[in-house]
Amino acid sequence: EDKVVQSPLSLVVHEGDTVTLNCSYEVTNFRSLLWYKQEKKAPTFLFMLTSSGIEKKSGRLSSILDKKELFSILNITATQTGDSAVYLCAVDHTGNQFYFGTGTSLTVIP
Amino acid sequence: DAGITQSPRHKVTETGTPVTLRCHQTENHRYMYWYRQDPGHGLRLIHYSYGVKDTDKGEVSDGYSVSRSKTEDFLLTLESATSSQTSVYFCAISESTAIWSAEAFFGQGTRLTVV
Repeated sequence: EDKVVQSPLSLVVHEGDTVTLNCSYEVTNFRSLLWYKQEKKAPTFLFMLTSSGIEKKSGRLSSILDKKELFSILNITATQTGDSAVYLCAVDHTGNQFYFGTGTSLTVIP
Repeated sequence: DAGITQSPRHKVTETGTPVTLRCHQTENHRYMYWYRQDPGHGLRLIHYSYGVKDTDKGEVSDGYSVSRSKTEDFLLTLESATSSQTSVYFCAISESTAIWSAEAFFGQGTRLTVV
């Protein structure tokens, strides 16, 4: 059975901390892994990863994929209160279906 | 922002009544999806479409049907709403193909309450 598992389920940090969010997956015919940020509304796209070992960066956020060990991490450095959100990991597999994990809820305290 | 509009944005309906949610896109993307989001379950795929009149089931399709008569519109119908279908429903679109993967963009969601 296909599955995407995110950890931790929730996280509380102080502003300025660095956090690492984890996503492991077991799916048939993997095509890509995607990260989204959701703040009480529609998920917004962050990154798409298709190749192992190539880091994607956007400001203070970065992500990398390990296709051998079947996981990805999302790093956020120098966290700000605006980073508080649920972060979702999804995998695109056969048939262009996006299979989501349950998310990691991040709270950044001032 | 991707041109995706969901309607209605909020709806309260009674058990046993039919309900139709609409998703409209202006991006001309081939793939359209309906997801539901519930606490503890994340986003779960209900149905998806890969072209006009081409649809398929997702992991939680029981009790739902869909139709796509035009590229831009994807309708989700609850034939006889039940309380277990109270949820937030998201439409998404993607220009993925058989050869390459592309990200999905989401609509703003429809909060459906079945009483």
